Amino acid sequence: NAGVTQTPKFQVLKTGQSMTLQCAQDMNHEYMSWYRQDPGMGLRLIHYSVGAGITDQGEVPNGYNVSRSTTEDFPLRLLSAAPSQTSVYFCASRGGRGNTIYFGEGSWLTVV
Amino acid sequence: QKEVEQDPGPLSVPEGAIVSLNCTYSNSAFQYFMWYRQYSRKGPELLMYTYSSGNKEDGRFTAQVDKSSKYISLFIRDSQPSDSATYLCASQDTGGFKTIFGAGTRLFVKA
Repeated sequence: NAGVTQTPKFQVLKTGQSMTLQCAQDMNHEYMSWYRQDPGMGLRLIHYSVGAGITDQGEVPNGYNVSRSTTEDFPLRLLSAAPSQTSVYFCASRGGRGNTIYFGEGSWLTVV
Repeated sequence: QKEVEQDPGPLSVPEGAIVSLNCTYSNSAFQYFMWYRQYSRKGPELLMYTYSSGNKEDGRFTAQVDKSSKYISLFIRDSQPSDSATYLCASQDTGGFKTIFGAGTRLFVKA
């Protein structure tokens, strides 16, 4: 019962560095998304994908890139990390009864 | 103004109390309404969902949606210390491309 798996769980980056947060799901869901969670702001949608080869922007897409080459994988790339990108990142997939969103365990990212 | 507004709390109640958690939303296109529970350092998990207006009950939990006032509520009866968590409301339009979350209310249930 893997569900949504994201790595790494913790990461410290220097300003200007780039990195990729990995996300994989084994539920064969077409819809996947990335959220960031900040105190007092709740979960904010960064990017989403409705299927392989199709991605679109959410509420806060600037500074992030995504791609969807397979149904299973949906990596999030930080192009040039900034301190404002310090946050907890959640990957999610959606499907099944009630269009339930299933979240990964989260990735804690600090940019110094 | 955010499309879904939620008081972040924190809310502290004694064990056994009835808890009322509330959200408001602004987008009339929203048709699906959900409540997620998030324990510390974990991802959110779906607690309940409702479609359009009305009530839905599951054990000690009742979700209520009033589309005329754009108000979403979650009631927890006989609250337990294990209910201590952050509760996030969420709304989704019929197309389902975007699910918008509230800021989350942090709940503490004291034994």
